[in-house]
Amino acid sequence: KQEVTQIPAALSVPEGENLVLNCSFTDSAIYNLQWFRQDPGKGLTSLLLIQSSQREQTSGRLNASLDKSSGRSTLYIAASQPGDSATYLCAVTEDDKIIFGKGTRLHILP
Amino acid sequence: DAGVIQSPRHEVTEMGQEVTLRCKPISGHNSLFWYRQTMMRGLELLIYFNNNVPIDDSGMPEDRFSAKMPNASFSTLKIQPSEPRDSAVYFCASRPTGGTGELFFGEGSRLTVL
Repeated sequence: KQEVTQIPAALSVPEGENLVLNCSFTDSAIYNLQWFRQDPGKGLTSLLLIQSSQREQTSGRLNASLDKSSGRSTLYIAASQPGDSATYLCAVTEDDKIIFGKGTRLHILP
Repeated sequence: DAGVIQSPRHEVTEMGQEVTLRCKPISGHNSLFWYRQTMMRGLELLIYFNNNVPIDDSGMPEDRFSAKMPNASFSTLKIQPSEPRDSAVYFCASRPTGGTGELFFGEGSRLTVL
């Protein structure tokens, strides 16, 4: 059974720092991996989608990498800003199912 | 496109009452997912549909929960009778069929059962 783990559960960093969020999954037979952002009381917003054949995707200050063989993905956020404060979730697509980690709650200190 | 639309956004009801949550997926998306989110368990997949057909409902917690998708533009999640432990945020999400598409979420329905 696929399990998705995100460590740490919470993270606080000063504004301007670069940071890395981690995601690991137990079964490498995935179609893709997606990173989401969730603000309090809101739905999930897709940030980046990496297909299983890809190694990374970039959007602005965000860069996501995927290492299928080791079951890991990272989300790199450059030059963090207070507006980046949110919960970040990763999800893997296996067959037709999409399975989520519990997220990392990120707080950027002004 | 208006995105995935869910209603109601908030629902407060008493134990034993029937609750119906509604979802309109993005036009052209053939896969629809219902998730439940709680602090303790995170996001749990309840059921998903491909082309209006339920594919996997193994995540539905009990027989009190049921979901339908009568057409490509509408789905419901019903809880009857509701219990306090059903209190959670229920999300609907849609995706183009094929397994490689991006998943889009609605804003969620926050359910409180007293």
